[in-house]
Amino acid sequence: EPEVTQTPSHQVTQMGQEVILRCVPISNHLYFYWYRQILGQKVEFLVSFYNNEISEKSEIFDDQFSVERPDGSNFTLKIRSTKLEDSAMYFCASDLRGGTDTQYFGPGTRLTVL
Amino acid sequence: SQQGEEDPQALSIQEGENATMNCSYKTSINNLQWYRQNSGRGLVHLILIRSNEREKHSGRLRVTLDTSKKSSSLLITASRAADTASYFCATAVYNQGGKLIFGQGTELSVKP
Repeated sequence: EPEVTQTPSHQVTQMGQEVILRCVPISNHLYFYWYRQILGQKVEFLVSFYNNEISEKSEIFDDQFSVERPDGSNFTLKIRSTKLEDSAMYFCASDLRGGTDTQYFGPGTRLTVL
Repeated sequence: SQQGEEDPQALSIQEGENATMNCSYKTSINNLQWYRQNSGRGLVHLILIRSNEREKHSGRLRVTLDTSKKSSSLLITASRAADTASYFCATAVYNQGGKLIFGQGTELSVKP
């Protein structure tokens, strides 16, 4: 069964450093998403991406964050200057039609900012 | 209350018993999806129910949706120790392009 994959599974970085989290969505899906989950809290929407542009973003997704689909398969989340409070599990997700069918999640990248 | 709130927050039952979790939401939705998360792991999709559906079954799972009350329930029948996990409802809000809004989740513990 097709699945969303994410790399790395765990990333440790120093405050102020840039990180890039990578995702490979399911190949025929057209809508891509990033969510995050701070330890012990609920999953929060960050951004949605369709047709090579951001379709919606949350208040969390400020100028420190950016997303990109650099080729036909990868979908990346960049955090330019990490802060301690960016420590969280980051999930990538994808679906076919943008909100009308199952949204599949990757296994997540645990980001630890020291 | 927030979109996608679940109750109870925690539920402890014996193997073989049924587990019922409830979710409430506030806005119009396209669909409501239930996910399971084992501690520190990814989100596993369980079932999707569309706004024009009232009930759906998948194996030992039964989901209901009441759009007039803006609520949903997830029933796991004949629970097993392996069902121990956190369960989240997530609403795909109408006209918001696929964004899912998650509830706080119900932590289910099934004792052997």
